[in-house]
Amino acid sequence: SQTIHQWPATLVQPVGSPLSLECTVEGTSNPNLYWYRQAAGRGLQLLFYSVGIGQISSEVPQNLSASRPQDRQFILSSKKLLLSDSGFYLCAWSPGVLSGEQFFGPGTRLTVL
Amino acid sequence: KQEVTQIPAALSVPEGENLVLNCSFTDSAIYNLQWFRQDPGKGLTSLLLIQSSQREQTSGRLNASLDKSSGRSTLYIAASQPGDSATYLCAVLSNDYKLSFGAGTTVTVRA
Repeated sequence: SQTIHQWPATLVQPVGSPLSLECTVEGTSNPNLYWYRQAAGRGLQLLFYSVGIGQISSEVPQNLSASRPQDRQFILSSKKLLLSDSGFYLCAWSPGVLSGEQFFGPGTRLTVL
Repeated sequence: KQEVTQIPAALSVPEGENLVLNCSFTDSAIYNLQWFRQDPGKGLTSLLLIQSSQREQTSGRLNASLDKSSGRSTLYIAASQPGDSATYLCAVLSNDYKLSFGAGTTVTVRA
């Protein structure tokens, strides 16, 4: 069966510090991968998605970036965090075509102080 | 741009009562609709996926219907239990392959 992991589970970072969140999927190959952010009182917002290694599509212009160095690894990064980057970050995957069902990871709670 | 609305925002029922959660979307050109459950501080658990060509899906006590032409979906949870307390999210996959989420309905089932 397929499993999706995210780490760390919780992170507290000062403004201006760098960020690296990692997501890995097990039990499948060539998944589509997604990063979402869920801010307090707001719905989920799609940040990035990837259909293959090195292929990243950005949905929202911001100081975040994403990379996919391996087939089942998706990384969310920032060089300098802003207060507004605080939120709950969720990684998801879907099999095959982009019209498939999406499955979500446990999430990372990021607090920027 | 796809807009997804969920009504009500919150719902409190006694144990054993049936739950009815509503979801509406503005653009009927969709691939599928997913219902998710989210517990506090946790990720999303997929409950049901309805393809655009389907009218309903069932899993145990859960039944979801889809009326694509009117832009509506309803999630029914039969004989609610305290363990059903959570936030339920509706999400629509549009033709641009983007999943648009509603704000959710927070359900409390009282023992």
